Amino acid sequence: RKEVEQDPGPFNVPEGATVAFNCTYSNSASQSFFWYRQDCRKEPKLLMSVYSSGNEDGRFTAQLNRASQYISLLIRDSKLSDSATYLCVVNPISSGSARQLTFGSGTQLTVLP
Amino acid sequence: NAGVTQTPKFQVLKTGQSMTLQCAQDMNHNSMYWYRQDPGMGLRLIYYSASEGTTDKGEVPNGYNVSRLNKREFSLRLESAAPSQTSVYFCASSAAWNSPLHFGNGTRLTVT
Repeated sequence: RKEVEQDPGPFNVPEGATVAFNCTYSNSASQSFFWYRQDCRKEPKLLMSVYSSGNEDGRFTAQLNRASQYISLLIRDSKLSDSATYLCVVNPISSGSARQLTFGSGTQLTVLP
Repeated sequence: NAGVTQTPKFQVLKTGQSMTLQCAQDMNHNSMYWYRQDPGMGLRLIYYSASEGTTDKGEVPNGYNVSRLNKREFSLRLESAAPSQTSVYFCASSAAWNSPLHFGNGTRLTVT
């Protein structure tokens, strides 16, 4: 089993739709979780950190489910500009360097007009 | 703020040639990283430097060397390029072990 798994998609949704992505992780000791966004042929950029209590930033909501070992990203009222690949990132240890950061392969989202 | 700056943006090498990818950050971050990204593989860590003066291997270090020249700069060297090293290379930095990464724009390397 991969350490971090994402559905690669593609997810094609109409503008205004709500879409959700899940990301599962294998190491139950994982401590830090992030969602990154990567546009075609560009560098990944931090979208959100994921906290145990869940967090929301405008149209974006991130949740952590430790019991089932997954994190989720919900995008409401999708915009054309949300089209990108969304990367799930997990740090499986509680201390030490970020060499343990593990990236998922990404979920591709296309928002259609 | 420039953030993380990588050079060059594009490079074509012949098998066996060498080159150095440069990376500099102006955010006073302690940790710096080199990743490669290949289709369907996600980002894989090549080397990292937790702080100035230290470097360690990541997931895929073979064929690469690194130098943490000072706190700002972290370079990646390919001594004898191979076609398997054709990839997009990203440099990144972070303030601490559990802080988010900030990435450079990437270097697209093709080895023929």
